[in-house]
Amino acid sequence: NAGVTQTPKFQVLKTGQSMTLQCAQDMNHNSMYWYRQDPGMGLRLIYYSASEGTTDKGEVPNGYNVSRLNKREFSLRLESAAPSQTSVYFCASTRSRAGGYNEQFFGPGTRLTVL
Amino acid sequence: RKEVEQDPGPFNVPEGATVAFNCTYSNSASQSFFWYRQDCRKEPKLLMSVYSSGNEDGRFTAQLNRASQYISLLIRDSKLSDSATYLCVVTQGGGATNKLIFGTGTLLAVQP
Repeated sequence: NAGVTQTPKFQVLKTGQSMTLQCAQDMNHNSMYWYRQDPGMGLRLIYYSASEGTTDKGEVPNGYNVSRLNKREFSLRLESAAPSQTSVYFCASTRSRAGGYNEQFFGPGTRLTVL
Repeated sequence: RKEVEQDPGPFNVPEGATVAFNCTYSNSASQSFFWYRQDCRKEPKLLMSVYSSGNEDGRFTAQLNRASQYISLLIRDSKLSDSATYLCVVTQGGGATNKLIFGTGTLLAVQP
């Protein structure tokens, strides 16, 4: 099993350009998540999808859109990139355990720089 | 006030030392608790869940105090390979809407 995969690993954009970050998981998990990680801020939730066909906003959704294409894939789109979106982006998926201890598995991350 | 607060460190300790990290959370409705480990420029990975009665996994011991809204992680006999950032994590919601709230992490550097 590959677990959670993300593409691309690195990306440099100019202000105003658009791009889509791809994420896929092969663990048959229902829930998937997109986070950004910035120095001193920790991981912050952008959007999540509790199940195929549903998406919800997290803590910092402005400037982003998502698509839950099927159970495996959850993409994140920046329509008009801004320097404030320079960050490391992680995709994650959740395996539910008894008692509510839902372990999240993370992809390797995408390092995005917006100039 | 941040929902999950941790001392950012860094904690510089010699090999073999015992080190403890603390974490406080603000939402008393938080249901599940974890410690994740993140190596430099890598993704976070689950280190251990934290149960109400406290739990141990080898050299690692986690404790939870719901009344004080406080979580701790104790590492005994530190190894060089323990050098990483340790993230305190609590959950909100439940079932399909479960969300993780991350602390900013505590950096541990184990010195030879």
